[in-house]
Amino acid sequence: EAGVTQSPTHLIKTRGQQATLRCSPISGHTSVYWYQQALGLGLQFLLWYDEGEERNRGNFPPRFSGRQFPNYSSELNVNALELEDSALYLCASSLGGKGYHEQYFGPGTRLTVT
Amino acid sequence: AQSVTQLDSQVPVFEEAPVELRCNYSSSVSVYLFWYVQYPNQGLQLLLKYLSGSTLVKGINGFEAEFNKSQTSFHLRKPSVHISDTAEYFCAVSERAGGTSYGKLTFGQGTILTVHP
Repeated sequence: EAGVTQSPTHLIKTRGQQATLRCSPISGHTSVYWYQQALGLGLQFLLWYDEGEERNRGNFPPRFSGRQFPNYSSELNVNALELEDSALYLCASSLGGKGYHEQYFGPGTRLTVT
Repeated sequence: AQSVTQLDSQVPVFEEAPVELRCNYSSSVSVYLFWYVQYPNQGLQLLLKYLSGSTLVKGINGFEAEFNKSQTSFHLRKPSVHISDTAEYFCAVSERAGGTSYGKLTFGQGTILTVHP
């Protein structure tokens, strides 16, 4: 069974540009989560989508946004990129519904802003 | 809101020695507890989890952790480490269903375990 996949692996952008990161969940999973792993800041929760809706959001400015498509894949958009947005962005997926569901992580997209 | 503190940023040990990675958490509500491992240039892999029941939980690769509610700790242990255990380890908490933070994992800052031959 294929795991969580993310694309691209690496992304280099210039300050002020927009970045789009993509995530495909494990088959059968309806929830997708996004996390940022920045140097010195650790792993921080960004967004949670389930059944196409945003369920929870971390303490990030509105220029971080995303969506979940009908096939449950997800996109993270970062507008007006700043140097401090450089980080590894991890996507995770899980089964949906109430109760605990294990989050399975993808390999990440390394975003570098110059 | 919850928070996680990993008390050691780096832990060097020799191969076949025991190791303990310390984790303390703070939360006003009941939580689930986790340990994840991250190998260089890879995503996170779940080592073990505490959801309920026995406070001693066993995970993959010979790791175990003990939940101590009174001390709000969830320390990770392995009786004998291998070179291949060299990685970064993250402790995390997740609020149980019904809360405003439900669904998200809150991570500690990570502990880099280096196993020397």
